[in-house]
Parts: sequence; C-alpha cells; structure tokens
Amino acid sequence: SQELEQSPQSLIVQEGKNLTINCTSSKTLYGLYWYKQKYGEGLIFLMMLQKGGEEKSHEKITAKLDEKKQQSSLHITASQPSHAGIYLCGADIRSGGGADGLTFGKGTHLIIQP
Amino acid sequence: ETGVTQSPTHLIKTRGQQVTLRCSSQSGHNTVSWYQQALGQGPQFIFQYYREEENGRGNFPPRFSGLQFPNYSSELNVNALELDDSALYLCASSLDRGYEQYFGPGTRLTVT
Repeated sequence: SQELEQSPQSLIVQEGKNLTINCTSSKTLYGLYWYKQKYGEGLIFLMMLQKGGEEKSHEKITAKLDEKKQQSSLHITASQPSHAGIYLCGADIRSGGGADGLTFGKGTHLIIQP
Repeated sequence: ETGVTQSPTHLIKTRGQQVTLRCSSQSGHNTVSWYQQALGQGPQFIFQYYREEENGRGNFPPRFSGLQFPNYSSELNVNALELDDSALYLCASSLDRGYEQYFGPGTRLTVT
C-alpha cells in the first residue's frame, strides 16, 4: 500500500471554482511539502509545513497540516487555467532528518475547464 | 526557475549499457537528492548526498551509484540498464539536510 495517499487522483474544476486536494499518511509527517508538476517536467516547490496545525498561503493557494501531523490539505481559491497540472505531496516520514529522502504520493491531476 | 539544472534533457540507451546523468545544484546547497519517476507515479527516492558523501539510500540496487563534487555538481550513474529503468530522473538540491528541496527539470531516460 502507498505510504502517502493523495485524493482525489484527478479533478476537473470549472474556472473560478474552489478545490481541495488531500494528502494522508499513517505515519507522522516530519516536514510536508507540496509541489506542482507540469507533465514530464520538474517539480515546482509550493510550500513546506512542519508544525502541527501550521497553515501557509501563497497567492490563491493555502496548505494546512493537521495537529496530529498525519494529514495535509491544499486549497485553491478561485481556480485559474494556470493552476492546471499535477499536484504532489512529499514528506519525510521515516527519520525526521531527511536522510531517507522524501516519500511522495502518486499525485492529483488537476484540469481547469474554462 | 529553481537554479537547478540537469543534462541531458533526453537520452535513449540500449539494455545492458551504462548511463551518466548530471545535475548542477544551486550555489551553496550542500545536499543533493536523486529521484526516479515512472510514468503516472510520484518520484521514488534513489539516494542523497551530503557534502560529497552518500547520506541515505532508497530501495534501489547497487548498480545505481552517484557522486557529488565540491563545485555543487553531481552525477547519477546506472550500470547494466534494464527496460524498467526508463523514467524521468530528477535531482533536487537543498541548503542542508531537512530543508526544502528544489528540483531540476529532469532527464527523460528511455531504455530500448
């Protein structure tokens, strides 16, 4: 089973609507990262969350890490075509020191319909 | 623009051959990690180098090896290529261990 589960797998949203993507782990998340990826390209860093209950925002994107540090959500307000792509959550779930690299979910494919 | 570059962009190799992929980290970043991303999957951690020494390794066989150099460049070497090695290979640099990782654009490797 996947150590980091993302939902939904894909999402089609009308332009201007809000949406939420979830990332869940059965283990404690020592550092939760959200990235965006255009098909076949590198990952663009969005936000990093470390403390339980932490919330960060950048432009129209808000990410939260729950108090137990096992679930994170990414919320996009008033979606635009530029938000389309694959959203990946990555986390350090093993040691807390990053030496084992990040574990990633499979990603959420976001399509924005005009 | 992350300041992390990778070369080449695309590469086609034959099964059994060897390949070297290159990455140039952001200046001042002493940690580099390499990931393999198969189609439709999230990246899988291969290994991490910290100050030119291997600092951690994922579930990849020894034919995947790496080097990190003092000038913030690094290499991923894969010997005895197999068809399943076809993937997008990503490097990511970070200021130090445990800091946010900035990814390069990736190298698309196709093994035939």
